[in-house]
Amino acid sequence: DAGVIQSPRHEVTEMGQEVTLRCKPISGHDYLFWYRQTMMRGLELLIYFNNNVPIDDSGMPEDRFSAKMPNASFSTLKIQPSEPRDSAVYFCASSTRTGRVGNQPQHFGDGTRLSIL
Amino acid sequence: SQKIEQNSEALNIQEGKTATLTCNYTNYSPAYLQWYRQDPGRGPVFLLLIRENEKEKRKERLKVTFDTTLKQSLFHITASQPADSATYLCAPFGRYQLIWGAGTKLIIKP
Repeated sequence: DAGVIQSPRHEVTEMGQEVTLRCKPISGHDYLFWYRQTMMRGLELLIYFNNNVPIDDSGMPEDRFSAKMPNASFSTLKIQPSEPRDSAVYFCASSTRTGRVGNQPQHFGDGTRLSIL
Repeated sequence: SQKIEQNSEALNIQEGKTATLTCNYTNYSPAYLQWYRQDPGRGPVFLLLIRENEKEKRKERLKVTFDTTLKQSLFHITASQPADSATYLCAPFGRYQLIWGAGTKLIIKP
């Protein structure tokens, strides 16, 4: 079975440009999470969806960040305009519906390494 | 605020020995706690989940304990192998979401 698929794997762009990260969760999973990982702050939850609906976006750092999930098989995380401090690895993860969020494993993609010059 | 602490320095273990990693949490009482493995350039991979009413959980060479009194989880790898070298993350469940530790880098030397 295919795991969580993220694209692109690497993105290098200049400050001020719009960046769009993409994620395809595992089929049948109805929770989707977006994380950011840096050396300084570790793994931080940005936002998560349940059945395509955003449930908690309190981790989204600023209005420059937005996330959408138009259907069960696709989500995007957009940064506009991008800044050098947004440089990080962005992960998408998905999990099944059974039980509460905390008692199900999360399945991660291999991330997008984003560098803003 | 909810806080997670893992060994900040890398842990060097001789092959064949047992590696023990520590995860301490403060200011809350998680109902579940998960452990993940992360290799360089890859996303975290789920290893084990333990519930607050379980003292211990095992999977092959892995063992996790959960002490709600000490607010601590220990992660053991027995008969360690160089292939076990990775960063290990603990993630206790907070009020609404997993709260992630910074991870401990484990190095198994042949």
